[in-house]
Amino acid sequence: DSGVTQTPKHLITATGQRVTLRCSPRSGDLSVYWYQQSLDQGLQFLIHYYNGEERAKGNILERFSAQQFPDLHSELNLSSLELGDSALYFCASKAQGAYNEQFFGPGTRLTVL
Amino acid sequence: AQKITQTQPGMFVQEKEAVTLDCTYDTSDPSYGLFWYKQPSSGEMIFLIYQGSYDQQNATEGRYSLNFQKARKSANLVISASQLGDSAMYFCAMRGYSGGGADGLTFGKGTHLIIQP
Repeated sequence: DSGVTQTPKHLITATGQRVTLRCSPRSGDLSVYWYQQSLDQGLQFLIHYYNGEERAKGNILERFSAQQFPDLHSELNLSSLELGDSALYFCASKAQGAYNEQFFGPGTRLTVL
Repeated sequence: AQKITQTQPGMFVQEKEAVTLDCTYDTSDPSYGLFWYKQPSSGEMIFLIYQGSYDQQNATEGRYSLNFQKARKSANLVISASQLGDSAMYFCAMRGYSGGGADGLTFGKGTHLIIQP
């Protein structure tokens, strides 16, 4: 158990809908990273938040957005969903310090029908 | 831009043998870190080992060691005395540290390792 929690574990929805994925980092970690794992694109970095502020963006679509709240949990919002958004979405948290490893949550598997 | 290449889509290895999983990388960052993660069929990502670009010695963690050859830009993972539970996908990843290292990890496509009894 990495100490990072994600809910829900599975999510099935229809095209055009909007969903919210939730992540709670390990106790004391200020950084939260979001990743998408799909068969087509592999594992891709989406976005990084540090202590409530956006720090870096990766290959995140404009239809996707994220935020990190004062209690440090983070939410990834996916809107106008398409079939190709079906993927495993991970969040990861990291202790302060550039060189520390990221610990991944169990992931949310999103299926868009 | 950073790039990770894993040239072995799949490998079959006999139990108790040593395994080397290949990883080459490309980056313009002078300072960077290299990571290996294991993803079992259950889906979670498990951190295995880390190597910093300025570390003088190769990293080791139990049965895992990282064969880091900076001039060749390779960071191969070596698993000694493989076990059935080592069967999983293995991902090599890197992160550059210019700009404070805020960026996420860049992953390779992975190697599917199957340990046979």
